[in-house]
Amino acid sequence: ETGVTQTPRHLVMGMTNKKSLKCEQHLGHNAMYWYKQSAKKPLELMFVYNFKEQTENNSVPSRFSPECPNSSHLFLHLHTLQPEDSALYLCASSQAGTGNEKLFFGSGTQLSVL
Amino acid sequence: AQSVTQLDSQVPVFEEAPVELRCNYSSSVSVYLFWYVQYPNQGLQLLLKYLSGSTLVESINGFEAEFNKSQTSFHLRKPSVHISDTAEYFCAVKVMFEGVGNMLTFGGGTRLMVKP
Repeated sequence: ETGVTQTPRHLVMGMTNKKSLKCEQHLGHNAMYWYKQSAKKPLELMFVYNFKEQTENNSVPSRFSPECPNSSHLFLHLHTLQPEDSALYLCASSQAGTGNEKLFFGSGTQLSVL
Repeated sequence: AQSVTQLDSQVPVFEEAPVELRCNYSSSVSVYLFWYVQYPNQGLQLLLKYLSGSTLVESINGFEAEFNKSQTSFHLRKPSVHISDTAEYFCAVKVMFEGVGNMLTFGGGTRLMVKP
């Protein structure tokens, strides 16, 4: 148990659906991240939030919409996805600015877009 | 921009044999270096890291990695692997003093498959 919880663990959705991925961290961290893990590709950083403010949007299509209502929760809202968006979506958190450069990852949401 | 290359996508090895997982990086500035491990159906976990000081770093489960600045490498080694080491291993870099936030650049991963 890393202290970062993601729900759901698995999600199957059609291209016209709207769904949300949820991430919650119980570590008191001030930074949260969304990563995309696709088969045979390096992990891709999607979004970074520091102190609830988005500081990085790594050229992610607008069909992915992040939300960070507080420092403990992070959402990824999905709409009109494409089959190529099928991947494992990982949430992570860290205590930014302390020099402890360690990311804590959740177990991920395995997303399949039909 | 920095990049990370893990030369082997899969490494099969027999139990109790030694293993080396290769990682090379490119960056125009100084970086921190990391190895993360991902066990089946789990997220990534930090295995070890190099921030400064001794170029040889060790983890609690017998892995070690050596930072070689001249070769821009950070290879991961273990003298004797166990079945439980079967996992995906990711090398990552972070630019020093990048500011607030911990934005890592990951390699493509190496799947270590330990056979009995």
